[in-house]
Amino acid sequence: ETGVTQSPTHLIKTRGQQVTLRCSSQSGHNTVSWYQQALGQGPQFIFQYYREEENGRGNFPPRFSGLQFPNYSSELNVNALELDDSALYLCASSLAWTSARTDTQYFGPGTRLTVL
Amino acid sequence: GESVGLHLPTLSVQEGDNSIINCAYSNSASDYFIWYKQESGKGPQFIIDIRSNMDKRQGQRVTVLLNKTVKHLSLQIAATQPGDSAVYFCAERERSGGYQKVTFGIGTKLQVIP
Repeated sequence: ETGVTQSPTHLIKTRGQQVTLRCSSQSGHNTVSWYQQALGQGPQFIFQYYREEENGRGNFPPRFSGLQFPNYSSELNVNALELDDSALYLCASSLAWTSARTDTQYFGPGTRLTVL
Repeated sequence: GESVGLHLPTLSVQEGDNSIINCAYSNSASDYFIWYKQESGKGPQFIIDIRSNMDKRQGQRVTVLLNKTVKHLSLQIAATQPGDSAVYFCAERERSGGYQKVTFGIGTKLQVIP
Protein backbone atom coordinates (compact mmCIF):
# COMPACT_ATOMS: atom_id res chain seq x y z
CA GLU A 1 0.00 0.00 0.00
CA THR A 2 0.98 3.64 -0.49
CA GLY A 3 0.64 4.87 3.08
CA VAL A 4 -1.87 7.48 1.97
CA THR A 5 -5.28 7.25 3.63
CA GLN A 6 -8.55 9.02 2.96
CA SER A 7 -11.80 9.40 4.84
CA PRO A 8 -14.62 8.78 4.59
CA THR A 9 -14.74 5.93 2.09
CA HIS A 10 -18.20 6.84 0.84
CA LEU A 11 -20.37 9.88 1.33
CA ILE A 12 -23.84 10.89 0.19
CA LYS A 13 -24.88 14.55 0.09
CA THR A 14 -27.68 16.55 -1.44
CA ARG A 15 -27.38 19.36 -3.93
CA GLY A 16 -26.40 22.68 -2.33
CA GLN A 17 -24.73 21.14 0.68
CA GLN A 18 -21.07 21.43 1.63
CA VAL A 19 -18.63 18.57 2.08
CA THR A 20 -15.17 18.08 3.60
CA LEU A 21 -12.97 15.19 2.55
CA ARG A 22 -9.80 14.27 4.40
CA CYS A 23 -6.42 12.87 3.44
CA SER A 24 -3.44 11.73 5.44
CA SER A 25 -0.26 11.87 3.42
CA GLN A 26 2.59 9.43 3.40
CA SER A 27 4.97 10.22 6.24
CA GLY A 28 7.33 13.06 5.37
CA HIS A 29 5.55 14.07 2.17
CA ASN A 30 5.16 17.84 2.06
CA THR A 31 3.07 18.08 -1.10
CA VAL A 32 -0.49 16.93 -1.64
CA SER A 33 -2.58 17.03 -4.79
CA TRP A 34 -6.29 16.42 -5.15
CA TYR A 35 -8.00 14.87 -8.15
CA GLN A 36 -11.58 14.27 -9.24
CA GLN A 37 -12.31 11.05 -11.09
CA ALA A 38 -15.70 10.70 -12.74
CA LEU A 39 -16.88 7.19 -13.49
CA GLY A 40 -15.11 5.74 -16.52
CA GLN A 41 -12.63 8.60 -16.80
CA GLY A 42 -9.13 9.42 -15.72
CA PRO A 43 -8.41 11.56 -12.67
CA GLN A 44 -8.55 15.32 -13.24
CA PHE A 45 -6.23 17.63 -11.33
CA ILE A 46 -8.00 19.98 -8.90
CA PHE A 47 -5.14 21.63 -7.03
CA GLN A 48 -1.87 21.09 -5.24
CA TYR A 49 -0.68 22.23 -1.81
CA TYR A 50 2.90 22.67 -0.72
CA ARG A 51 3.84 23.81 2.77
CA GLU A 52 0.22 24.68 3.55
CA GLU A 53 -0.27 26.90 0.53
CA GLU A 54 -2.01 26.26 -2.77
CA ASN A 55 0.62 26.47 -5.49
CA GLY A 56 -1.23 25.16 -8.50
CA ARG A 57 -4.80 24.72 -9.66
CA GLY A 58 -6.63 22.98 -12.45
CA ASN A 59 -9.83 24.04 -14.14
CA PHE A 60 -12.09 23.92 -11.09
CA PRO A 61 -14.22 26.76 -9.66
CA PRO A 62 -13.46 28.51 -6.35
CA ARG A 63 -16.10 26.50 -4.52
CA PHE A 64 -13.45 23.77 -4.50
CA SER A 65 -10.98 24.73 -1.80
CA GLY A 66 -8.43 23.03 0.37
CA LEU A 67 -6.28 23.10 3.43
CA GLN A 68 -2.99 21.48 4.29
CA PHE A 69 -1.86 21.16 7.89
CA PRO A 70 1.62 21.07 9.43
CA ASN A 71 1.29 17.35 10.08
CA TYR A 72 0.79 16.86 6.30
CA SER A 73 -2.86 15.95 6.58
CA SER A 74 -5.13 17.85 4.26
CA GLU A 75 -8.73 18.58 3.41
CA LEU A 76 -10.74 19.16 0.26
CA ASN A 77 -13.84 21.32 0.74
CA VAL A 78 -16.59 21.64 -1.81
CA ASN A 79 -19.35 24.20 -1.33
CA ALA A 80 -22.74 24.41 -3.03
CA LEU A 81 -22.60 20.83 -4.25
CA GLU A 82 -23.90 20.09 -7.73
CA LEU A 83 -25.01 16.78 -9.19
CA ASP A 84 -21.93 16.73 -11.45
CA ASP A 85 -19.68 16.76 -8.39
CA SER A 86 -20.51 13.08 -7.92
CA ALA A 87 -17.17 11.35 -8.39
CA LEU A 88 -14.26 9.59 -6.73
CA TYR A 89 -11.99 12.14 -5.05
CA LEU A 90 -8.37 11.14 -4.81
CA CYS A 91 -5.50 12.68 -2.93
CA ALA A 92 -1.90 12.03 -3.84
CA SER A 93 1.11 12.86 -1.71
CA SER A 94 4.69 13.41 -2.79
CA LEU A 95 7.89 15.08 -1.87
CA ALA A 96 8.66 18.39 -3.51
CA TRP A 97 10.88 17.98 -6.54
CA THR A 98 14.61 18.49 -6.39
CA SER A 99 17.23 17.36 -8.85
CA ALA A 100 18.26 14.71 -6.34
CA ARG A 101 14.96 12.94 -5.80
CA THR A 102 11.77 11.94 -7.45
CA ASP A 103 8.46 13.60 -6.74
CA THR A 104 6.34 10.64 -7.71
CA GLN A 105 2.79 10.94 -6.48
CA TYR A 106 1.31 8.18 -4.35
CA PHE A 107 -2.46 7.95 -4.31
CA GLY A 108 -4.91 7.16 -1.57
CA PRO A 109 -7.92 4.87 -2.13
CA GLY A 110 -10.28 7.78 -2.67
CA THR A 111 -13.59 8.97 -1.30
CA ARG A 112 -16.67 8.18 -3.37
CA LEU A 113 -19.00 11.22 -3.22
CA THR A 114 -22.58 10.91 -4.42
CA VAL A 115 -24.65 14.08 -4.76
CA LEU A 116 -28.42 13.57 -4.94
CA GLY B 1 -16.39 -3.22 -6.01
CA GLU B 2 -17.18 -0.28 -8.23
CA SER B 3 -16.13 -0.35 -11.84
CA VAL B 4 -13.45 2.10 -12.80
CA GLY B 5 -13.56 1.50 -16.53
CA LEU B 6 -17.17 1.26 -17.68
CA HIS B 7 -16.67 2.50 -21.23
CA LEU B 8 -12.93 2.44 -21.64
CA PRO B 9 -10.99 0.80 -24.47
CA THR B 10 -10.45 -2.80 -23.51
CA LEU B 11 -7.52 -5.10 -24.21
CA SER B 12 -8.05 -8.81 -23.65
CA VAL B 13 -5.00 -11.05 -23.44
CA GLN B 14 -4.38 -14.67 -22.59
CA GLU B 15 -2.58 -15.38 -19.35
CA GLY B 16 1.12 -15.76 -20.06
CA ASP B 17 1.07 -13.60 -23.20
CA ASN B 18 2.66 -10.17 -23.40
CA SER B 19 0.44 -7.08 -23.25
CA ILE B 20 1.04 -3.77 -24.95
CA ILE B 21 -0.98 -0.75 -23.90
CA ASN B 22 -0.66 2.39 -25.97
CA CYS B 23 -1.17 6.03 -25.16
CA ALA B 24 -0.97 9.30 -27.05
CA TYR B 25 -0.08 12.48 -25.21
CA SER B 26 -0.46 16.08 -26.20
CA ASN B 27 1.82 18.40 -24.24
CA SER B 28 5.30 18.92 -25.67
CA ALA B 29 6.34 20.58 -22.39
CA SER B 30 5.78 17.44 -20.35
CA ASP B 31 9.02 16.28 -18.75
CA TYR B 32 7.90 13.04 -17.19
CA PHE B 33 5.52 10.30 -18.21
CA ILE B 34 4.00 7.85 -15.78
CA TRP B 35 1.96 4.69 -15.97
CA TYR B 36 -0.56 3.95 -13.25
CA LYS B 37 -2.60 0.83 -12.58
CA GLN B 38 -6.02 1.21 -11.01
CA GLU B 39 -7.95 -1.74 -9.66
CA SER B 40 -11.62 -1.53 -8.90
CA GLY B 41 -12.27 0.38 -5.69
CA LYS B 42 -8.69 1.57 -5.33
CA GLY B 43 -6.63 4.61 -6.14
CA PRO B 44 -4.09 4.63 -8.99
CA GLN B 45 -0.94 2.70 -8.21
CA PHE B 46 2.40 3.86 -9.62
CA ILE B 47 3.96 1.33 -12.01
CA ILE B 48 6.82 2.99 -13.83
CA ASP B 49 7.87 6.38 -15.12
CA ILE B 50 10.20 7.73 -17.76
CA ARG B 51 11.89 11.07 -18.25
CA SER B 52 11.37 12.91 -21.49
CA ASN B 53 15.08 12.55 -22.36
CA MET B 54 14.82 8.76 -22.43
CA ASP B 55 13.12 6.46 -24.90
CA LYS B 56 12.98 3.23 -22.94
CA ARG B 57 12.91 2.15 -19.34
CA GLN B 58 12.53 -1.30 -17.88
CA GLY B 59 11.13 -2.44 -14.60
CA GLN B 60 10.09 -5.78 -13.23
CA ARG B 61 8.04 -7.39 -16.02
CA VAL B 62 7.19 -3.95 -17.41
CA THR B 63 8.81 -1.77 -20.05
CA VAL B 64 7.83 1.75 -21.03
CA LEU B 65 8.67 3.12 -24.46
CA LEU B 66 8.52 6.80 -25.31
CA ASN B 67 8.44 8.22 -28.84
CA LYS B 68 8.49 11.99 -28.61
CA THR B 69 8.40 12.44 -32.36
CA VAL B 70 4.85 11.15 -32.54
CA LYS B 71 3.96 11.82 -28.89
CA HIS B 72 3.36 8.19 -28.14
CA LEU B 73 3.87 6.15 -25.00
CA SER B 74 3.48 2.42 -24.51
CA LEU B 75 3.52 0.02 -21.60
CA GLN B 76 4.59 -3.55 -22.20
CA ILE B 77 3.77 -6.19 -19.61
CA ALA B 78 5.59 -9.48 -19.97
CA ALA B 79 3.94 -12.79 -19.12
CA THR B 80 0.64 -11.18 -18.17
CA GLN B 81 -0.97 -12.59 -15.04
CA PRO B 82 -4.58 -12.49 -13.77
CA GLY B 83 -3.47 -9.97 -11.13
CA ASP B 84 -2.58 -7.56 -13.93
CA SER B 85 -6.28 -7.12 -14.73
CA ALA B 86 -7.04 -3.47 -14.07
CA VAL B 87 -7.40 -0.10 -15.78
CA TYR B 88 -4.10 1.39 -16.89
CA PHE B 89 -3.61 5.12 -17.21
CA CYS B 90 -0.77 6.97 -18.80
CA ALA B 91 -0.10 10.39 -17.34
CA GLU B 92 2.06 13.26 -18.45
CA ARG B 93 3.60 15.67 -16.04
CA GLU B 94 4.60 19.27 -16.53
CA ARG B 95 6.24 21.45 -13.95
CA SER B 96 4.51 24.80 -14.04
CA GLY B 97 5.11 27.72 -11.71
CA GLY B 98 6.66 25.58 -9.01
CA TYR B 99 4.11 22.79 -8.96
CA GLN B 100 3.68 19.64 -10.93
CA LYS B 101 0.57 19.31 -13.06
CA VAL B 102 -0.25 15.74 -13.92
CA THR B 103 -2.68 15.07 -16.76
CA PHE B 104 -4.13 11.60 -17.09
CA GLY B 105 -5.21 9.89 -20.28
CA ILE B 106 -8.55 8.12 -20.64
CA GLY B 107 -7.28 4.71 -19.59
CA THR B 108 -7.28 1.20 -21.02
CA LYS B 109 -8.95 -1.73 -19.35
CA LEU B 110 -6.79 -4.86 -19.39
CA GLN B 111 -8.62 -8.16 -19.07
CA VAL B 112 -6.50 -11.25 -18.56
CA ILE B 113 -8.10 -14.49 -19.68
CA PRO B 114 -7.02 -17.44 -17.53
